[in-house]
Amino acid sequence: GQQLNQSPQSMFIQEGEDVSMNCTSSSIFNTWLWYKQDPGEGPVLLIALYKAGELTSNGRLTAQFGITRKDSFLNISASIPSDVGIYFCAGFLSGSARQLTFGSGTQLTVLP
Amino acid sequence: DVKVTQSSRYLVKRTGEKVFLECVQDMDHENMFWYRQDPGLGLRLIYFSYDVKMKEKGDIPEGYSVSREKKERFSLILESASTNQTSMYLCATQQGGGGYTFGSGTRLTVV
Repeated sequence: GQQLNQSPQSMFIQEGEDVSMNCTSSSIFNTWLWYKQDPGEGPVLLIALYKAGELTSNGRLTAQFGITRKDSFLNISASIPSDVGIYFCAGFLSGSARQLTFGSGTQLTVLP
Repeated sequence: DVKVTQSSRYLVKRTGEKVFLECVQDMDHENMFWYRQDPGLGLRLIYFSYDVKMKEKGDIPEGYSVSREKKERFSLILESASTNQTSMYLCATQQGGGGYTFGSGTRLTVV
């Protein structure tokens, strides 16, 4: 079962605003991944993080692997309408490299 | 780039029908997975396979079976479709310890 707590569950923001979402767990992860799912499509990988403390950017997206290895956050700067979708965090538990554990997702709506 | 192709984007089936959902990948990945996605429940693992003819139950295997006769193809079978199996079904592949690559999904409606 799921062991990742992702928040918030949903967000409504104005175009141009920054967005932040995070995932926490009581378990240690050795990899964190962030996916985006457009309406009616499958999730697509945005950012992968492999080391505690790692901070990685992909355009307007920035994600960090928490120092404790139990959390991660994703920031989106200057949101645009095409940022709409569901964002999932996912991770490999320490000692596992095959089965991803997924968060429940953050539904992002960007208002013009 | 890895391509994961799910045979149908939308399916409508009747209760009691046997339903086949097909997933084909073109990059020789060893590991393949089937998930269902429902509002408020996130992604739930149905079955997975780490090799040809190998299959393992995920978190919600009841009412489903799978087949992996060839490395590139992983089929999900609903033996007797029921309305509570109406959902979005997602196939994913993985090589080594990398992230998953997902297909575009099949939205199944059972009436």
